[in-house]
Amino acid sequence: GENVEQHPSTLSVQEGDSAVIKCTYSDSASNYFPWYKQELGKRPQLIIDIRSNVGEKKDQRIAVTLNKTAKHFSLHITETQPEDSAVYFCAASGNEKLTFGTGTRLTIIP
Amino acid sequence: KAGVTQTPRYLIKTRGQQVTLSCSPISGHRSVSWYQQTPGQGLQFLFEYFSETQRNKGNFPGRFSGRQFSNSRSEMNVSTLELGDSALYLCASSLGLAGSTRSVGQYFGPGTRLTVT
Repeated sequence: GENVEQHPSTLSVQEGDSAVIKCTYSDSASNYFPWYKQELGKRPQLIIDIRSNVGEKKDQRIAVTLNKTAKHFSLHITETQPEDSAVYFCAASGNEKLTFGTGTRLTIIP
Repeated sequence: KAGVTQTPRYLIKTRGQQVTLSCSPISGHRSVSWYQQTPGQGLQFLFEYFSETQRNKGNFPGRFSGRQFSNSRSEMNVSTLELGDSALYLCASSLGLAGSTRSVGQYFGPGTRLTVT
């Protein structure tokens, strides 16, 4: 089955700087890669996703890149703000079954 | 549109009992997936239902079962509860695509926090 590895597990970034979270996946059949943000005590929230036929996608301060050959994808957050502090999960899927990474706790330092 | 709802939000059970959790998807969404979230194991896939049929299944024992109704609402049942079943149980709904392996965005409910004592 699919295996998703996520790094780093914790990340502290000065407010205004950029943050990058990286994930690798094992199943070449995976074709959909969403990212979720989970604040303390809240549900995971879909923030951006990318399909295997696209290399990069942007939404305001958030961008995701995908390298199908290397089987890795990354989340980039620019101009970080205190409200970006949360746990971020990457996931991979080929058939509605999401396999999640272990999460990255992002802390924005004011 | 109203989001995904789950009931109950909190539940305390004792070992050996059984429990039923409920999930109402976003209107128009036909796929409902269930996940278990624990600090140690993270987010793990339980199963997915589409048009009242289990379409995908994760690696959980047979004590974990589910079903989906004609209105796309779904229930999950755990029998013979164990201490290790204590977790946040999340359901997620998506449009789902019949006869396709293409995935679409899944939107999560607030979860049911199950504590087994």
